[in-house]
Amino acid sequence: KAGVTQTPRYLIKTRGQQVTLSCSPISGHRSVSWYQQTPGQGLQFLFEYFSETQRNKGNFPGRFSGRQFSNSRSEMNVSTLELGDSALYLCASSLGDPPPETQYFGPGTRLLVL
Amino acid sequence: AQSVTQLGSHVSVSEGALVLLRCNYSSSVPPYLFWYVQYPNQGLQLLLKYTSAATLVKGINGFEAEFKKSETSFHLTKPSAHMSDAAEYFCAVSDLRGNKLVFGAGTILRVKS
Repeated sequence: KAGVTQTPRYLIKTRGQQVTLSCSPISGHRSVSWYQQTPGQGLQFLFEYFSETQRNKGNFPGRFSGRQFSNSRSEMNVSTLELGDSALYLCASSLGDPPPETQYFGPGTRLLVL
Repeated sequence: AQSVTQLGSHVSVSEGALVLLRCNYSSSVPPYLFWYVQYPNQGLQLLLKYTSAATLVKGINGFEAEFKKSETSFHLTKPSAHMSDAAEYFCAVSDLRGNKLVFGAGTILRVKS
């Protein structure tokens, strides 16, 4: 069974731009969670989607948003990029119901904001 | 609110020596606890998890962890370190309300030959 895939793997943007990251979960998994990893703040939870609905949300500004499609694939969008948004963005999938389930992580998308 | 504290941002052991990575948690509800490993430029790989069954949990690659409620700890151990164990290790806690993982700051394990 294929693992969690994330595209693109690397991305360079400039301040003020927006970016969309994509995550394809393991087949059969209905929950997708997103995490931000930075040297200063560590691993922080952004949000979780289950069956196309946001089920959990972390403490990030509204510039960070996401969505999930009917095939469970998920996208994360960051608008008006700031230098501090430079990070590794990790996506994790799980069966999702009932929680908590083991989450399987993708390789991440490394975003650099200049 | 749940939280995780990992004692020691860096741990160095000799090859063949015992590995002990410390994790203490804070949770107002029965926790679910996880250990993940991250190799450079990769995502997180699950080592083991505790979900209120046996308190001694065995994971992959010879790792195990013991849940001690009285000490609110979930330390990770491996009897004999291998060079391939060099990586960053994260302890995480979750609860029944959803798939939100709260991670510790991580411990970088160095294995000396």
